[in-house]
Amino acid sequence: AQSVAQPEDQVNVAEGNPLTVKCTYSVSGNPYLFWYVQYPNRGLQFLLKYITGDNLVKGSYGFEAEFNKSQTSFHLKKPSALVSDSALYFCAVRDSRRYGGSQGNLIFGKGTKLSVKP
Amino acid sequence: KAGVTQTPRYLIKTRGQQVTLSCSPISGHRSVSWYQQTPGQGLQFLFEYFSETQRNKGNFPGRFSGRQFSNSRSEMNVSTLELGDSALYLCASSLERGTSSGNTIYFGEGSWLTVV
Repeated sequence: AQSVAQPEDQVNVAEGNPLTVKCTYSVSGNPYLFWYVQYPNRGLQFLLKYITGDNLVKGSYGFEAEFNKSQTSFHLKKPSALVSDSALYFCAVRDSRRYGGSQGNLIFGKGTKLSVKP
Repeated sequence: KAGVTQTPRYLIKTRGQQVTLSCSPISGHRSVSWYQQTPGQGLQFLFEYFSETQRNKGNFPGRFSGRQFSNSRSEMNVSTLELGDSALYLCASSLERGTSSGNTIYFGEGSWLTVV
């Protein structure tokens, strides 16, 4: 089954410290992976994606993510957290099944709430 | 360039009523998909429209339906509303169909539906 797991419901970080939001996935075939951020009462904003190529992907607002095929992980990282980074973060994988009705669309993790304290 | 636009942003309906939500995709985007977000179930795919045809469908009852117009704008409809339909409904657009793996899917701000 195609799935995404975000093992932490919440991550707490002090401002200025590095942050990591974890994501693991399970897909058949090549994984196409995405990170989105959601601020309160807002929609989802695209941060970055991995399709192929370099395992380190750089995205918006200073975020980056590291694709690790052997560990089936795609962790989101930022070297120095800001209070304004506090939000809900979603990892997603594109449904690569050839049949089943929802192929090609996104399967989301449950989300991780990031809290950055000053 | 304007993003994905959804209307209305907030609405309250009574059980048994029906509701229509509207979505205008990013200019030039031809694929529109809809997702439901609830605290309990998280984000779930509803359906995707491309070239005015429903291409993919998630695991939702037939009360949930949609359509796409020739200008790529889309509407979704929920009939015979139930309390459990209370959710944030997100519209998303992309240049091509979701099966084109390199596509980024961009989301709107969502429509908050409360069923009382």
